[in-house]
Amino acid sequence: DGGITQSPKYLFRKEGQNVTLSCEQNLNHDAMYWYRQDPGQGLRLIYYSQIVNDFQKGDIAEGYSVSREKKESFPLTVTSAQKNPTAFYLCASTYNEGRQFFGPGTRLTVL
Amino acid sequence: QKEVEQNSGPLSVPEGAIASLNCTYSDRVSQSFFWYRQYSGKSPELIMSIYSNGDKEDGRFTAQLNKASQYVSLLIRDSQPSDSATYLCAVKGDNDMRFGAGTRLTVKP
Repeated sequence: DGGITQSPKYLFRKEGQNVTLSCEQNLNHDAMYWYRQDPGQGLRLIYYSQIVNDFQKGDIAEGYSVSREKKESFPLTVTSAQKNPTAFYLCASTYNEGRQFFGPGTRLTVL
Repeated sequence: QKEVEQNSGPLSVPEGAIASLNCTYSDRVSQSFFWYRQYSGKSPELIMSIYSNGDKEDGRFTAQLNKASQYVSLLIRDSQPSDSATYLCAVKGDNDMRFGAGTRLTVKP
């Protein structure tokens, strides 16, 4: 079955620690996106990538970094520079005129 | 700053009623518009997309787009308790995607 896999489902980070969230898709979609969702709020765009080895900052890229070395993979690193990273992180890929398919998400908590 | 605004809700309707959800956007060049449903603790799922002015119907759902007024709406007919969720409006720019804060809908049996 085609889909998007995000891991881990839950992640706990200590102060000053970098952590990496995994996103893998087998849908053969070119574009991939990372969003952050805080309780009771919509999705805010962190980074997106249209093709391999290319990516663009979204509205809240500070404190985050990404890579796109393979079409299937778009990992997100939450660095220690991100002062309030506790949130629900969603990875998505785009198909057919902008429609997006989402992974199950990763819940990150700072201890 | 490109903005997408939704009624914050919560919106409560009785079972069988019509639920009306509204969304406005600020970027006039936007061409693609979407409604996603998000159940609590889950990821969003696409329920409607609309690209041209007018109405688009899919089962109990109707999306309406008015580009001149920069307004998108979603109507849910014969609302069911299983429709209780947060509905997110999304607007696509050249390559990016912007979401509203969502409207929480509760359908009461």
